[in-house]
Amino acid sequence: GEDVEQSLFLSVREGDSSVINCTYTDSSSTYLYWYKQEPGAGLQLLTYIFSNMDMKQDQRLTVLLNKKDKHLSLRIADTQTGDSAIYFCALWDTGRRALTFGSGTRLQVQP
Amino acid sequence: GAVVSQHPSRVICKSGTSVKIECRSLDFQATTMFWYRQFPKQSLMLMATSNEGSKATYEQGVEKDKFLINHASLTLSTLTVTSAHPEDSSFYICSARGTGAEDNSPLHFGNGTRLTVT
Repeated sequence: GEDVEQSLFLSVREGDSSVINCTYTDSSSTYLYWYKQEPGAGLQLLTYIFSNMDMKQDQRLTVLLNKKDKHLSLRIADTQTGDSAIYFCALWDTGRRALTFGSGTRLQVQP
Repeated sequence: GAVVSQHPSRVICKSGTSVKIECRSLDFQATTMFWYRQFPKQSLMLMATSNEGSKATYEQGVEKDKFLINHASLTLSTLTVTSAHPEDSSFYICSARGTGAEDNSPLHFGNGTRLTVT
């Protein structure tokens, strides 16, 4: 099955850029996703990238995909305190036919 | 579009009782719904995949008799935690895929149900 790894914690100052990284083992997923979870809440689909793309930008969010290194990153420009949350990368596990999530990165934005 | 509603958002029950959690697709029909469980400060673990009109597929280690899943319509799946115990306390989240959507197309999630068993 799919194995997805993320660093657990990231702290940045308001206004700086945040970069959250994710590595994975199985490269058969057509889409790779980033979800955001605020405390006590469900998951919000932030953005996703198609596997034949290298980069996708959506307002303050930039997703980079390096298929060779099996590395996915999410860059948040001009990070705000409202961006403080846990960010999960997720890939489609073709064996189980379901999403497999990374461990989540807790982003703390300091004013 | 693609709104998934989950109820209740929070429930506290006594040990030995059963609790039902509902997952509804509000503006689309969902052939497939997924149930995940999240322990504090941990990631989401897939419990089971439910397909409308058929039996759910459970992940290894998930007791099907304890976590009953029913997907009787294209807009509703329910998870019933039977004879709940304190170790069942967790955050349960459902997600749904629209009918006809690609197998690995983006999934939308409900807001989750926090279950506390006393």
